[in-house]
Amino acid sequence: GAGVSQSPSNKVTEKGKDVELRCDPISGHTALYWYRQSLGQGLEFLIYFQGNSAPDKSGLPSDRFSAERTGGSVSTLTIQRTQQEDSAVYLCASSQGGGVRETQYFGPGTRLLVL
Amino acid sequence: GQQVMQIPQYQHVQEGEDFTTYCNSSTTLSNIQWYKQRPGGHPVFLIQLVKSGEVKKQKRLTFQFGEAKKNSSLHITATQTTDVGTYFCAAPSGGSNYKLTFGKGTLLTVNP
Repeated sequence: GAGVSQSPSNKVTEKGKDVELRCDPISGHTALYWYRQSLGQGLEFLIYFQGNSAPDKSGLPSDRFSAERTGGSVSTLTIQRTQQEDSAVYLCASSQGGGVRETQYFGPGTRLLVL
Repeated sequence: GQQVMQIPQYQHVQEGEDFTTYCNSSTTLSNIQWYKQRPGGHPVFLIQLVKSGEVKKQKRLTFQFGEAKKNSSLHITATQTTDVGTYFCAAPSGGSNYKLTFGKGTLLTVNP
């Protein structure tokens, strides 16, 4: 079946512009995670959605970052007034129920470059 | 929050040599997962360990969970060029029942 998809795959933007990243999780997966991966680094947790519950936004690095998930499916991560330090790969993952013992299925990521 | 320390950061081996990466925590873990990320790719789940002292094998890969459930290792026997990539461990973050903390990963390169 289809895996997690993300778009765009690459995004180059100018400092100060807003960007919107999209994630389509695996159908039926109630849990959705966003991570940020800087060059050669590990995965930094950003935000977690589970069904209709309030999201865990504790990993968002600043108020320029926001995310929403519509209808319990597609999610968008928005970065306002982008800065050069926002350059990274943004990965989305989904899991069936969101527990720590569940497999997370990752999308291919969006590579963001802020000039 | 929960930290998992992963060593080494990098490992370069000749094809055919063995490779091991270690993941250590200061607190007891309920479970630990391992993921592999090929260069330019995304993390892919390899395995999960739950029980104290658990050992699981996948072909040339052997995964271990320590008796105290504070450390884990991934051992690859007779590496191949297809093993190239970054190996991450991931463990529950603090008291969370949904959030994982990922180690910084070990980048394995293999010289053919």
